[in-house]
Amino acid sequence: DGGITQSPKYLFRKEGQNVTLSCEQNLNHDAMYWYRQDPGQGLRLIYYSQIVNDFQKGDIAEGYSVSREKKESFPLTVTSAQKNPTAFYLCASRRGPDSYEQYFGPGTRLTVT
Amino acid sequence: AQKVTQAQTEISVVEKEDVTLDCVYETRDTTYYLFWYKQPPSGELVFLIRRNSFDEQNEISGRYSWNFQKSTSSFNFTITASQVVDSAVYFCALSEKTGGFKTIFGAGTRLFVKA
Repeated sequence: DGGITQSPKYLFRKEGQNVTLSCEQNLNHDAMYWYRQDPGQGLRLIYYSQIVNDFQKGDIAEGYSVSREKKESFPLTVTSAQKNPTAFYLCASRRGPDSYEQYFGPGTRLTVT
Repeated sequence: AQKVTQAQTEISVVEKEDVTLDCVYETRDTTYYLFWYKQPPSGELVFLIRRNSFDEQNEISGRYSWNFQKSTSSFNFTITASQVVDSAVYFCALSEKTGGFKTIFGAGTRLFVKA
């Protein structure tokens, strides 16, 4: 089955540690996205990548980093510089230039204490 | 600048009632896309529909229907004969051609359908 996987579903870390969230897709989609969702709020764009080896900052990129070395993978690192990292993180992909809707993974709930 | 407003934070209905979720958007672009997504308790967003700015035809899919009106910058979503399984958070979203079709999401409307 084609889709987007994010692992793990729940992640716990101590303050001051970097943590990497995994996002893999087997849909052969060109573009990939990372969003953050806080309780009762909409989604805010962290980073996105339209093509392999290229990515752009979204609206709230500070304290995060990404890489796009392979088409199917777009990992997100939450660094210790991110002041409020506890949130629900959603990864999404979009097929390409002629497609506009995004498809989402199941999300990772990160808790930092 | 683009903006999506979902003024209804929470709606509660009884099963079999019809319910309309409102979405108002702002854009200066003439080419844009509007979307609705459903987020069930599991957390994953599910794509429901896409509409482009040049197509104001309303659409019906089973119990779901969408009303797109450019004159009022609205893209409302109606669920007919609601069911408990419709309980979720629903997001309206907008992508503009300017800016590479980045997607902006509204804050979402939480729908409770009681049996």
